[in-house]
Amino acid sequence: EDQVTQSPEALRLQEGESSSLNCSYTVSGLRGLFWYRQDPGKGPEFLFTLYSAGEEKEKERLKATLTKKESFLHITAPKPEDSATYLCAVQESGGGADGLTFGKGTHLIIQP
Amino acid sequence: NAGVTQTPKFRVLKTGQSMTLLCAQDMNHEYMYWYRQDPGMGLRLIHYSVGEGTTAKGEVPDGYNVSRLKKQNFLLGLESAAPSQTSVYFCASRVSWIAGNEQFFGPGTRLTVL
Repeated sequence: EDQVTQSPEALRLQEGESSSLNCSYTVSGLRGLFWYRQDPGKGPEFLFTLYSAGEEKEKERLKATLTKKESFLHITAPKPEDSATYLCAVQESGGGADGLTFGKGTHLIIQP
Repeated sequence: NAGVTQTPKFRVLKTGQSMTLLCAQDMNHEYMYWYRQDPGMGLRLIHYSVGEGTTAKGEVPDGYNVSRLKKQNFLLGLESAAPSQTSVYFCASRVSWIAGNEQFFGPGTRLTVL
C-alpha cells in the first residue's frame, strides 16, 4: 500500500482556471509534509513544508494546506508557467531512513 | 552558491560495467541523500548520510554503494551495472536541525544501462 497518494495523476486547465491537487498520506507519525515542483529534465524544487494539521502556507498563486490525512495544493488563476509536475512527500517521525517518501506526482498543464 | 551539483549529467553503460556518480554541495549541509526516479513511480531513497564518514541504507539499496569521505561530497557507486538500474538519479542535502528540514535537490544524472 502506498504511503503517499497524489491525485489526479494529470490535470489540464485553462489559464486562469483555479483548481486543487490532492496528496493523501498514511504514516504513523508525521514529521513534515513537503511540496516540490519539478520541471522536465530538472531536479525537484522546494515549495512548502507543513508540520501540523491546520497549517497553511502561500507563495504567489500557490497555497498549501494540511489536515490529519491529506494536503491540498491550491492553484489560483494559474498561468502557463505554472505547468510542471508537483510532488508531495512526507517525512515520518521516528523513521529509520530519515529520507522522504514521495508520491508519484501530479502532472499539471496550463493552457493559454 | 552553486547549491547541489551532480556529475555527470548523462551516462550510458553496458551491463556489468562500473561507475561512480558524484554529488557536491556548498551549503555546509550535514545530511545528504541519493534517490532514483523511474517513470510511474515516486522518487525512492537509495542511501543517505547524516555526516562525514557515515552512511546508511534507504528503501532500495541493493546494487549500490556510497561513500562520504568529505562533508561536501557524497558518492554513489555501481559496481556491476544492470539494466534495472537505468534511471534518473538525484542527490539532495539538508541541514540537520529541524527548522531547516527541507531537502535541496541537484539537477540529476540520467543513466542508461544497455
